[in-house]
Amino acid sequence: NFMLTQPHSVSESPGKTVTISCTRSSGSIASNYVQWYQQRPGSSPTTVIYEDNQRPSGVPDRFSGSIDSSSNSASLTISGLKTEDEADYYCQSYDSSNHWVFGGGTKLTVL
Amino acid sequence: QVQLVQSGAEVKKPGASVKVSCKASGYTFTSYGISWVRQAPGQGLEWMGWISAYNGNTNYAQKLQGRVTMTTDTSTSTAYMELRSLRSDDTAVYYCARVDYDLIDYWGQGTLVTVSS
Repeated sequence: NFMLTQPHSVSESPGKTVTISCTRSSGSIASNYVQWYQQRPGSSPTTVIYEDNQRPSGVPDRFSGSIDSSSNSASLTISGLKTEDEADYYCQSYDSSNHWVFGGGTKLTVL
Repeated sequence: QVQLVQSGAEVKKPGASVKVSCKASGYTFTSYGISWVRQAPGQGLEWMGWISAYNGNTNYAQKLQGRVTMTTDTSTSTAYMELRSLRSDDTAVYYCARVDYDLIDYWGQGTLVTVSS
């Protein structure tokens, strides 16, 4: 099986742009869709990106997703950072048995 | 509006079983799947498995095979997750979530299960 590795934490100032990476340890990142979830403290997760780069309705276009086969990684980019974006972010993909694999999560601090 | 309402917190002893419910409303229950995800205190998300509300097909995380059973009751639009032989490291918040192919578009509020002697 493979792992998805995320940075433990990132921080950036309001109004700036931040990118969170998610690197797949084996197999191609492009072989299975990647999803991204936001979880604010004390709340259930919510989906911000699905199928690599699709935004669910209601998610602002400040959130975007991409994959890069050269680095075998997916990225979540948040532009025009707001304090309300401060949360934990998790990437997720699938293995060959359609089992979900989550990344370890990245704590985003907006300061 | 779509809602997934989960059952309340549980405290169980090691070796016992727990059954968490997830009552769906606001949509056609059998048109979507339900995934279960858990989160130990201060830890990340862990996928437990998925069930089709249409035909009851399941797909469980390998780590939990043999200890977990997911079922649905289409008459009440309710999904259930039963975990047996509980251990202290099963202490977690358990979430149900509606799945539409690759999209989780709704999550339950979470159910805290505490395993303690």
